[in-house]
Amino acid sequence: AQSVTQPDIHITVSEGASLELRCNYSYGATPYLFWYVQSPGQGLQLLLKYFSGDTLVQGIKGFEAEFKRSQSSFNLRKPSVHWSDAAEYFCAVGSGSARQLTFGSGTQLTVLP
Amino acid sequence: SAVISQKPSRDICQRGTSLTIQCQVDSQVTMMFWYRQQPGQSLTLIATANQGSEATYESGFVIDKFPISRPNLTFSTLTVSNMSPEDSSIYLCSVEENRVYNEQFFGPGTRLTVL
Repeated sequence: AQSVTQPDIHITVSEGASLELRCNYSYGATPYLFWYVQSPGQGLQLLLKYFSGDTLVQGIKGFEAEFKRSQSSFNLRKPSVHWSDAAEYFCAVGSGSARQLTFGSGTQLTVLP
Repeated sequence: SAVISQKPSRDICQRGTSLTIQCQVDSQVTMMFWYRQQPGQSLTLIATANQGSEATYESGFVIDKFPISRPNLTFSTLTVSNMSPEDSSIYLCSVEENRVYNEQFFGPGTRLTVL
């Protein structure tokens, strides 16, 4: 069965600083990988996704993520964080034919002024 | 992507009662999913709802507690039955946009508090 680990429960960065959120997955086949963001009181918004091809994927709001098969990782990055980026971020892996998403435990991002 | 709405957005309920949550999509979709997000936790899949067939429940979730309807390709309901404080959670529906790659889009969620 697939699994997703987000080792950082909470990250604090200053506005304008760079950001990297870690995600490691366990899955036997080629993974389908996603990053979602959840602002307070909101549902989940899809930031970006990786299915195949170029391992560096671009998403909305200036986010990008890099798929590294050798490290089983799909880390989310942003070069300059804005105060509005404060939210909870979830990494997820798709299981293909089983048509399910497995979510990590989430990383809460706090942005300092 | 599909636009998904949920009703109610939040509710406070008494122990022992039931609440039905509605999920409406602006386009026809084959697969819909219901998730639970307990306070401070990640998302856990409750069940998968395919139009015209019985919902498929995940381990730990049963139909008597969480009955689901899927009457057409744009609508689904989840009922939380005989509620207890442990059912206090955010309940989210999602739709599958891309069958091959499991891409899902989520509704805004229903925040349920059980007293």
